[in-house]
Amino acid sequence: DTEVTQTPKHLVMGMTNKKSLKCEQHMGHRAMYWYKQKAKKPPELMFVYSYEKLSINESVPSRFSPECPNSSLLNLHLHALQPEDSALYLCASSPRVGGAENEQFFGPGTRLTVL
Amino acid sequence: DAKTTQPNSMESNEEEPVHLPCNHSTISGTDYIHWYRQLPSQGPEYVIHGLTSNVNNRMASLAIAEDRKSSTLILHRATLRDAAVYYCILRGLAGGTSYGKLTFGQGTILTVHP
Repeated sequence: DTEVTQTPKHLVMGMTNKKSLKCEQHMGHRAMYWYKQKAKKPPELMFVYSYEKLSINESVPSRFSPECPNSSLLNLHLHALQPEDSALYLCASSPRVGGAENEQFFGPGTRLTVL
Repeated sequence: DAKTTQPNSMESNEEEPVHLPCNHSTISGTDYIHWYRQLPSQGPEYVIHGLTSNVNNRMASLAIAEDRKSSTLILHRATLRDAAVYYCILRGLAGGTSYGKLTFGQGTILTVHP
């Protein structure tokens, strides 16, 4: 199984809502990533988890709260988002964080709209 | 982070070879050159990577200049399914600022004509 799955595919939420994005992989990878991609722009790294511990936070606002409950699962909890947070949220995984040869496997993304 | 420069867009005809260039004049000796592509409405997917020597896999070939300041991704016979944004990315080893990160540039939009 070389797939990264993300749910939901689409999400519409109001600025006062709390929602969560879910990402799952069963490749035994110990590094997992969240990226944000605005329309017609390249993906931008948000968070990196290594062995279930947060290792990189790219100065992301606290209204985005990542969680890695186990080695296969990565969540992104959303609270009090702004309309400018509307974007495609991509999850990725790789065997480990280190190693310049490491290939990252991406999921299809969750298309988030904040009203 | 070492930076890459790619043309904004390129066009090709189906069944013809495509050469996608990437300049990375500030590359360090330990930076690997990675290529990813993103098809419409999908997440990015890995294409190929290399360090110094040319590389081939089932998807593409990677030609790396002798001074490593540039590289070219070669799609030997473009198909309509190859229409995507192609990203050239440098990945460094531990201790560098790019460690653990995949920093995407603007990429090259490849259009394939039937």
